[in-house]
Amino acid sequence: SQTIHQWPATLVQPVGSPLSLECTVEGTSNPNLYWYRQAAGRGLQLLFYSVGIGQISSEVPQNLSASRPQDRQFILSSKKLLLSDSGFYLCAWTTDANYGYTFGSGTRLTVV
Amino acid sequence: SQQGEEDPQALSIQEGENATMNCSYKTSINNLQWYRQNSGRGLVHLILIRSNEREKHSGRLRVTLDTSKKSSSLLITASRAADTASYFCATDTGRRALTFGSGTRLQVQP
Repeated sequence: SQTIHQWPATLVQPVGSPLSLECTVEGTSNPNLYWYRQAAGRGLQLLFYSVGIGQISSEVPQNLSASRPQDRQFILSSKKLLLSDSGFYLCAWTTDANYGYTFGSGTRLTVV
Repeated sequence: SQQGEEDPQALSIQEGENATMNCSYKTSINNLQWYRQNSGRGLVHLILIRSNEREKHSGRLRVTLDTSKKSSSLLITASRAADTASYFCATDTGRRALTFGSGTRLQVQP
């Protein structure tokens, strides 16, 4: 069956520290992968998307970066976190635009 | 700016009542989708309606789409306490990725 794993579920990091969030998909091949961020009580902001290994499109200029080292692995990183990086980070995938996205359970990041 | 905007931002109803949420968008779309999010969780895909469709049903959900008005509505009939969640519309314009609205928070009182 097709599943998506996202970890960790919660993370508290000091300002200036690095970040690495990982997302993996099982049971499918060549998915489109997405990173969204959600501020408290708000909608989703697209951060990055990828249509293949090594192919990353960035939507919002910021101190975050993304990588796709393997077909079903998507990593969100930062070298130095800012307070404004706090939020709820969601990974999603799809293989067919007609069937919607499948989301991971999210990572709650608090930068202190 | 957001492609989709939901209305109302918050809605509180009694169990058994119907809940209607609206979504407006700005540009031409391939399809429009509705998602549900329980507090602190990921989003769950509910229903997708294509640009050439006007109405779609799934269980207690009914979605309408009016492309001339660039709007959609989600109706949940006979609501239950378990329907309490945030509901988001998302538009697929064929470019990059889905664009999400800011959501409607639905509270169903038992």
